[in-house]
Amino acid sequence: KAGVTQTPRYLIKTRGQQVTLSCSPISGHRSVSWYQQTPGQGLQFLFEYFSETQRNKGNFPGRFSGRQFSNSRSEMNVSTLELGDSALYLCASSRPGADEQFFGPGTRLTVL
Amino acid sequence: AQSVTQPDIHITVSEGASLELRCNYSYGATPYLFWYVQSPGQGLQLLLKYFSGDTLVQGIKGFEAEFKRSQSSFNLRKPSVHWSDAAEYFCAVGSPGGSYIPTFGRGTSLIVHP
Repeated sequence: KAGVTQTPRYLIKTRGQQVTLSCSPISGHRSVSWYQQTPGQGLQFLFEYFSETQRNKGNFPGRFSGRQFSNSRSEMNVSTLELGDSALYLCASSRPGADEQFFGPGTRLTVL
Repeated sequence: AQSVTQPDIHITVSEGASLELRCNYSYGATPYLFWYVQSPGQGLQLLLKYFSGDTLVQGIKGFEAEFKRSQSSFNLRKPSVHWSDAAEYFCAVGSPGGSYIPTFGRGTSLIVHP
């Protein structure tokens, strides 16, 4: 069974640009969550999508947005990039009603 | 609100020595508790989890953790550390029922000396 996949694995952008990250969950998993990981702040929850609806949202500015498609694949978008957005962005998926998340390898975003 | 504290930012052990990583949580009831491991450049892998029942939980890679309600702790242990255990370890607490979103600790970096 394939794990959670994230593309691309690495990205370099400049301030002011926007970026879209993609996450494909494990087959059968309908919940997808996104996290930002930085050395200073640790792992912070961004948002969770379930059946194409945002179910939970963390404390991030509106520049961070996401969506989920009917096949449960999810994308997150960051507009007007700032230097502080440099981070590892992790995606996690889970089965309906499950209490365990499975993480992808992450996308390393560097903002110059 | 739930929170997790991992008091040790770094821990250094010799290969073959025992290991204990500390985790304290704050939650109003019995939480769901997790330990994850992250190797460099990788995502998080679940080592073990506690939902209820036996307070001593066995996980993968020879790890175990003990839930102590009186101390609000969920410490991770391994009797003999291998060089491949060098990684970042995260404790997390989740809310039973409903939409499950865990809160993670800041992590403990494990360094293993040969």
